[in-house]
Amino acid sequence: SYVLTQPPSVSVAPGKTARITCGGNNIGSKSVHWYQQKPGQAPVLVIYYDSDRPSGIPERFSGSNSGNTATLTISRVEAGDEADYYCQVWDSSSDPTGVVFGGGTKLTVL
Amino acid sequence: QVQLQESGPGLVKPSQTLSLTCTVSGGSISSGSYYWSWIRQPAGKGLEWIGRIYTSGSTNYNPSLKSRVTISVDTSKNQFSLKLSSVTAADTAVYYCARGCIAADIYYFDYWGQGTLVTVSS
Repeated sequence: SYVLTQPPSVSVAPGKTARITCGGNNIGSKSVHWYQQKPGQAPVLVIYYDSDRPSGIPERFSGSNSGNTATLTISRVEAGDEADYYCQVWDSSSDPTGVVFGGGTKLTVL
Repeated sequence: QVQLQESGPGLVKPSQTLSLTCTVSGGSISSGSYYWSWIRQPAGKGLEWIGRIYTSGSTNYNPSLKSRVTISVDTSKNQFSLKLSSVTAADTAVYYCARGCIAADIYYFDYWGQGTLVTVSS
């Protein structure tokens, strides 16, 4: 089955740029989606189709995907961005097909 | 604005069947190209997809849970449901229902319920 690998944690100072990676075999051929989850809350979609932002998500959030790595980039990080972030794909290359989540990355704002 | 709300028992005994319902409001469960999913999250751990259903009744399940999972839909009530049989303590988790948008090989979740904690304990 398909595996997505994320770093367990990323730390960044306020105002700086955070980059959270999501590794997978030829992930660039798949569409990657990202979710933000704050403690005690349901996940929220922040990026879909690799780099599209849903309505209401700040432009500070952006995404890219190429080769074996997808990246969620958060510019001008704010204290309110501290959360867990999950990448997700639909794996149609395995049998059976299904949803795959990365293990999640905890973003700490220093 | 679409809203999803999970409901069901918060405590289930080991070996019994966990049953949850997700009620969709703000839109018809039958409209659009959506698959409706269940996802769970044990305390302090990551997200695990359980399975999904289309309003036609077509389903896909996580292979690791497939033998114990049944997802069904009731379009007349704008609801879909989860049954997980033979539960153990390892099934203790927050269970989320979510709306999945689908296009070809693309599938992502744009609306989520608030989640409901299910504890498996005698």
